[in-house]
Amino acid sequence: DVKVTQSSRYLVKRTGEKVFLECVQDMDHENMFWYRQDPGLGLRLIYFSYDVKMKEKGDIPEGYSVSREKKERFSLILESASTNQTSMYLCASSFFGSGIAQYFGPGTRLTVL
Amino acid sequence: DAKTTQPPSMDCAEGRAANLPCNHSTISGNEYVYWYRQIHSQGPQYIIHGLKNNETNEMASLIITEDRKSSTLILPHATLRDTAVYYCIVRVGISGGYQKVTFGTGTKLQVIP
Repeated sequence: DVKVTQSSRYLVKRTGEKVFLECVQDMDHENMFWYRQDPGLGLRLIYFSYDVKMKEKGDIPEGYSVSREKKERFSLILESASTNQTSMYLCASSFFGSGIAQYFGPGTRLTVL
Repeated sequence: DAKTTQPPSMDCAEGRAANLPCNHSTISGNEYVYWYRQIHSQGPQYIIHGLKNNETNEMASLIITEDRKSSTLILPHATLRDTAVYYCIVRVGISGGYQKVTFGTGTKLQVIP
């Protein structure tokens, strides 16, 4: 079974804090993705990576950065958390060229106070 | 990407087959049909995809009509844990690179004891 794990299910941070969200997959997938999901706005792509140390901006990269030092691990960093970054954050992975057959983690519900 | 139409909600008795329809009358020859679901407060789950042949895996079966203008996702023996929102997505297949997952409104399936 494909497994995508995320470091926390729930996280509460204060405005201005630096926040790290970690994602690990165990299927040797080349592609990894970070999305956020908000009511009424659906699923939006923040960043994706198709290889170690490679990253590409998605639709809403502002306020976020990413790191992929190992194939199985993809981190999302909020340099200075703001209240409008309160959201459900979802990590996904897939084989290169597998279209939108992506495997998602359980999500991290982040609240920024 | 072709537009999809799904009923907003459906009920199914536990143990019965759940048949979820999707219309995609403007689908083009190189577009695949994908199905995802999302259980409340969890990450999306990829279920199955197909181009023109019927497909089956351990979770579900996908039946695509001969003209490819509609499809049906079949959960053969629905359980309470299958209660979720089910999304039908039509997307061009690509041999490389990445594609982001985006959801429409989907069908809310309620499995009833």
